[in-house]
Order: sequence, then structure tokens, then C-alpha cells
Amino acid sequence: EPEVTQTPSHQVTQMGQEVILRCVPISNHLYFYWYRQILGQKVEFLVSFYNNEISEKSEIFDDQFSVERPDGSNFTLKIRSTKLEDSAMYFCASSWGGSPGANVLTFGAGSRLTVL
Amino acid sequence: DQQVKQNSPSLSVQEGRISILNCDYTNSMFDYFLWYKKYPAEGPTFLISISSIKDKNEDGRFTVFLNKSAKHLSLHIVPSQPGDSAVYFCAANSGGGADGLTFGKGTHLIIQP
Repeated sequence: EPEVTQTPSHQVTQMGQEVILRCVPISNHLYFYWYRQILGQKVEFLVSFYNNEISEKSEIFDDQFSVERPDGSNFTLKIRSTKLEDSAMYFCASSWGGSPGANVLTFGAGSRLTVL
Repeated sequence: DQQVKQNSPSLSVQEGRISILNCDYTNSMFDYFLWYKKYPAEGPTFLISISSIKDKNEDGRFTVFLNKSAKHLSLHIVPSQPGDSAVYFCAANSGGGADGLTFGKGTHLIIQP
């Protein structure tokens, strides 16, 4: 069964450092997403991406965050200068359609980011 | 701002019995609702969904009920099996397009033998 793959599974970084989290969405999917889950809290939407541009972003997705699809397969989330509160599990997801009936997201296993 | 609320952080059910997980929402613009299941160290996996034009959707042991007037939905699992032990997230969507899903905090379901 097709799956979304994420790397690294766990990254530890110092506060202020740049971090790039990588994702390979399902190949025929057109919509890509990043979510995060701070330990003990709910899964929160960060950003959605379609047709090589951001479709929607939440308040969390400030200027420190950026997303890119550098080639036909990867989808990356960059955090420019990490803060302690960026420590979370980051989930990448993809879907083939954007309408509610088709908007069933397939999630990756997540990348755990620990900022020290 | 909890637009999707799952008020039970955990639920313990005996194997073979019915598990009922509840979810409430406040945003009347939501028109599509989904349940995701999550095991430790894995991402959420899609379980079942329901459109706001329906009040029930069934898939095998899983049934989702939607009460729009009460802004309430529930997931029924019957019979419950040990492999159902996981965290269950209720999620909602509005407007289609690439709108992000709004998740509840999750309910940890524990199936006891």
C-alpha cells in the first residue's frame, strides 16, 4: 500500500538552528500538508500546498516556517531559527483531491523534533 | 479555541463489547467529518468519514453517527478487539479545497481482554 515517508524520524537541534524536515508524499497525490503535535496536545494544522504554492496556512505557520517542493517527489518543511516551543512531532500528509470527499489525508509516521 | 472537542481523554472497554467515542464541534461551517486512529510511533491513519448530508455511515465494525442539530458525532466499534487499542482523533473540514483538517485532542481507547 502506498505510504508517505518522512525523514528524519528524530532530530535534536540547538535553539536558533535551522531544521529541514523531509517528506515523500504518495506519488499521485496533488495536495500536501504539514501538521504538528506537541506532546500531550492535539494535532494542529500548519500548512497546505497545492500546485507549487501554499493554499492555506495557520497562525502557527509564521515567517520562521517555509515549505518547498524542490523536485517531483520531495516536500520539505524548513524552520529557520528553531525555538524551544517548536519541539513537537511533525506529520506530513498528502491527498489526491481537495474536495471534502477526496480530502482523505494519508499521514506519514512523523518526524520528532527536539529543540534544546 | 477548540472547534472540535473530544471530552474523554481515555476510554476503557472490554473485548467484545461496544466502544463509543464521542466528538462535539462548534463550527457550523464544518461539512465533512473524519475519524483517524493512531498507534504509538505512527502517523494517524484514516478510519471512516461522514458528510454533513448524512447521519450515518457504516464500514464493517465501525459506524459513525452525525447529529447536526446537536453538533455531535460518535464512532461506534462493535465488537471491540484488542487491536482497536489506540488513540482516536475526530477531525472536521469545511469548504473543500485544500483546507486543513481541524482535529480534536483524541481519545485513548483501551480494549481490555
